[in-house]
Amino acid sequence: DARVTQTPRHKVTEMGQEVTMRCQPILGHNTVFWYRQTMMQGLELLAYFRNRAPLDDSGMPKDRFSAEMPDATLATLKIQPSEPRDSAVYFCASGLVLSRYGSSYEQYFGPGTRLTVT
Amino acid sequence: AQSVTQPDIHITVSEGASLELRCNYSYGATPYLFWYVQSPGQGLQLLLKYFSGDTLVQGIKGFEAEFKRSQSSFNLRKPSVHWSDAAEYFCAVGADNAGNNRKLIWGLGTSLAVNP
Repeated sequence: DARVTQTPRHKVTEMGQEVTMRCQPILGHNTVFWYRQTMMQGLELLAYFRNRAPLDDSGMPKDRFSAEMPDATLATLKIQPSEPRDSAVYFCASGLVLSRYGSSYEQYFGPGTRLTVT
Repeated sequence: AQSVTQPDIHITVSEGASLELRCNYSYGATPYLFWYVQSPGQGLQLLLKYFSGDTLVQGIKGFEAEFKRSQSSFNLRKPSVHWSDAAEYFCAVGADNAGNNRKLIWGLGTSLAVNP
């Protein structure tokens, strides 16, 4: 059945290293969201794309984070350099927006990438 | 600005007991409302949604929610809780930004524990 996939599921890295997380949205979905979840902040929207174009990345620390969609089947979130405060679970979600009146807000989540930066 | 409040951070119920999780929203127009569930170590799964029509909506796993416009609420209910329902529950409202950039506004979640 169709689902969002994320790799890796777990990542442990040292401070200063580059981290790349990947997401494969559900085939046919045209919107991709990146979230970060921590105990303290809950679920935070980092960025989202529609038809591969970034619509909003205001929730993302610009100096170290970057998000891209090289093609319709792949979204990436990079952190360079990583810091211990980046330790969190990062979720990707996808959805389908057809038009202002002909679509829904439903988002389908991947299993997440648990990142630990030491 | 749109917002979602889940007043209960943590709730504990006994297996077989009824459950109600509260959600209040702030949104100027007719809201699109959602409940998601997150089991430990998992992503979020859509339980149910409300767009329009009947204010009592049915979802998966025996859950239902009722939209009450006068109270700006969308509470989640289940008549008899199972141990497998122990999870984190998130309420969300759909919001349009300028340019029709749709996204969800999330509550902070309610953690549900189920006693045997």
